[in-house]
Amino acid sequence: TQLLEQSPQFLSIQEGENLTVYCNSSSVFSSLQWYRQEPGEGPVLLVTVVTGGEVKKLKRLTFQFGDARKDSSLHITAAQPGDTGLYLCAGTGNMLTFGGGTRLMVKP
Amino acid sequence: NAGVTQTPKFQVLKTGQSMTLQCAQDMNHEYMSWYRQDPGMGLRLIHYSVGAGITDQGEVPNGYNVSRSTTEDFPLRLLSAAPSQTSVYFCASSLGGEAGELFFGEGSRLTVL
Repeated sequence: TQLLEQSPQFLSIQEGENLTVYCNSSSVFSSLQWYRQEPGEGPVLLVTVVTGGEVKKLKRLTFQFGDARKDSSLHITAAQPGDTGLYLCAGTGNMLTFGGGTRLMVKP
Repeated sequence: NAGVTQTPKFQVLKTGQSMTLQCAQDMNHEYMSWYRQDPGMGLRLIHYSVGAGITDQGEVPNGYNVSRSTTEDFPLRLLSAAPSQTSVYFCASSLGGEAGELFFGEGSRLTVL
């Protein structure tokens, strides 16, 4: 079983702060996805990264796939209360494997 | 814009009871899957299907059955519920298999007493 570990598990910050969430594994993944989940809803895809070293930007969110395709990070600049939610990474290998998630709360 | 529809949204069962969680999608996706979500454990794959008539086991299949008689529907059956199956269940579908974008339902919260 391929394991994905996310850190931190919980993060509570003030509006306007920057943050980084990490997704690490000892396994190599062919691609990695990031999802965001709000309470009472299913996860929604934010981005898919495929190439080692790839960097993708979505407005204030920056996603990076590690050179060895074993890890990824999500950086949020100037966080807003609307960024509050559970962030999940998922790696494609033998089957799609999800990390345990990072629960982010952005306080106004 | 129905997408993926799950029913029921909430269910309470007694140990040993059986039930079926329904999942339907209207996007003509071949790939469908069931996950359970427990605190701190992310989403774990129970069963998946790559098309009508084809199903396979995921990471945690024990205690669950599935079938895929049509492209649209992918029900999940609990034959004899156990307290360890208390969880939130999500159905998802994808156009590009498991590596494609997964579209999730809103979830079904199941409590087994």
